[in-house]
Amino acid sequence: GENVEQHPSTLSVQEGDSAVIKCTYSDSASNYFPWYKQELGKRPQLIIDIRSNVGEKKDQRIAVTLNKTAKHFSLHITETQPEDSAVYFCAASGGGTSYGKLTFGQGTILTVHP
Amino acid sequence: NAGVTQTPKFRVLKTGQSMTLLCAQDMNHEYMYWYRQDPGMGLRLIHYSVGEGTTAKGEVPDGYNVSRLKKQNFLLGLESAAPSQTSVYFCASSYSIRGGVNTEAFFGQGTRLTVV
Repeated sequence: GENVEQHPSTLSVQEGDSAVIKCTYSDSASNYFPWYKQELGKRPQLIIDIRSNVGEKKDQRIAVTLNKTAKHFSLHITETQPEDSAVYFCAASGGGTSYGKLTFGQGTILTVHP
Repeated sequence: NAGVTQTPKFRVLKTGQSMTLLCAQDMNHEYMYWYRQDPGMGLRLIHYSVGEGTTAKGEVPDGYNVSRLKKQNFLLGLESAAPSQTSVYFCASSYSIRGGVNTEAFFGQGTRLTVV
């Protein structure tokens, strides 16, 4: 089945710096790659997603890149702010016989220091 | 429009007891999921469903059963609770577009379960 690996597990940056989180996936049939942000005690919420027919997507300070050949995708946050501090999860959703299955990475704790 | 609602929000069980967690969504989503979240382990998929009457195993299905008798509800059962099942449980749902491709998953507020 699908396996999603996420790195790093913790990331500490100064306010205004950029943050990059990387994920790899194992199932070449996966076709949907979302990123979620989870604040302490809250439910995960989608911040950006990308489909397998697109290489990059941006939304203000957040961008995601996808390399289908290498089976990895990354989240880029520019001009970080203290309110960006949270746990970030990548995920991959399968195609083929695993269509609909949504597998998450282990999460990255991002801390932005003022 | 309530989104995804989980019942109950908190529960304490004794080892060996059984219980059912209910997930209800009002968005007419085809796909539904049950995850458990433990510190440092991320969100691990227990079971999922791609439509009414269908279920499939995720990464950590042992000790759990599920049912999806109605499209809007996805039930997670623990037949004989164990301390290792102490966790926060999240339900989620999403809809599919052409070809079964997934879209944004919406999560419930979580259920904190403690097994003593």
